[in-house]
Amino acid sequence: DIQMTQSPASLSASLEEIVTITCQASQDIGNWLAWYQQKPGKSPQLLIYGATSLADGVPSRFSGSRSGTQYSLKISRLQVEDPGIYYCLQGYSAPLTFGSGTKLEIK
Amino acid sequence: EVQLVESGGGLVQPGRSLKLSCAASGFTFSNYYMAWVRQAPKKGLEWVATISTSGSRTYYPDSVKGRFTISRDNAKSSLYLQMNSLKSEDTATYYCARHRAENGYFDYWGQGVMVTVSS
Repeated sequence: DIQMTQSPASLSASLEEIVTITCQASQDIGNWLAWYQQKPGKSPQLLIYGATSLADGVPSRFSGSRSGTQYSLKISRLQVEDPGIYYCLQGYSAPLTFGSGTKLEIK
Repeated sequence: EVQLVESGGGLVQPGRSLKLSCAASGFTFSNYYMAWVRQAPKKGLEWVATISTSGSRTYYPDSVKGRFTISRDNAKSSLYLQMNSLKSEDTATYYCARHRAENGYFDYWGQGVMVTVSS
């Protein structure tokens, strides 16, 4: 199974700050990587797919990048509506696996 | 507007069965792979099952293989998850999701339905 190691587990940042969350894949998954945001009591919302493509309706302050088997989600200017838990997902091979999540809070 | 609405959750005893349903609307259901993803209380996300457009191919992780069966009725735009031999560790919120298999991600999710396995 492909393991997705996500870091940090939690993060506290100030408004307008740049935030970066990373996922390390245990093997090559190409661009088969997606990012999700989940708010309390809600279902996950797609942010990024194909490692770098922005999902419809997602603000442009969110972006995804890849360096080898390391994937990053960047929020360029943290906004008040951005707190939540962020997950990565590898869709390269079954079993599909998620990262363990990053809890993002406003400082 | 894409909508996915799950139903069928509830409290069930260990070893018993339960069937979840998902009603889809706002897109051509028969053109898309579909999936179930679950989330145990206060835990992360776990993929549970995927089914191809025609229903001829299904995929499961080892944790549910042989106990869970995903199926679909394209005429009714409905997805199902038959869960047998339920265990306490199956307690979770179960989400129906549209699976973009060409790039391996889930683009739309339902609101979720809670399944509690307890005596």
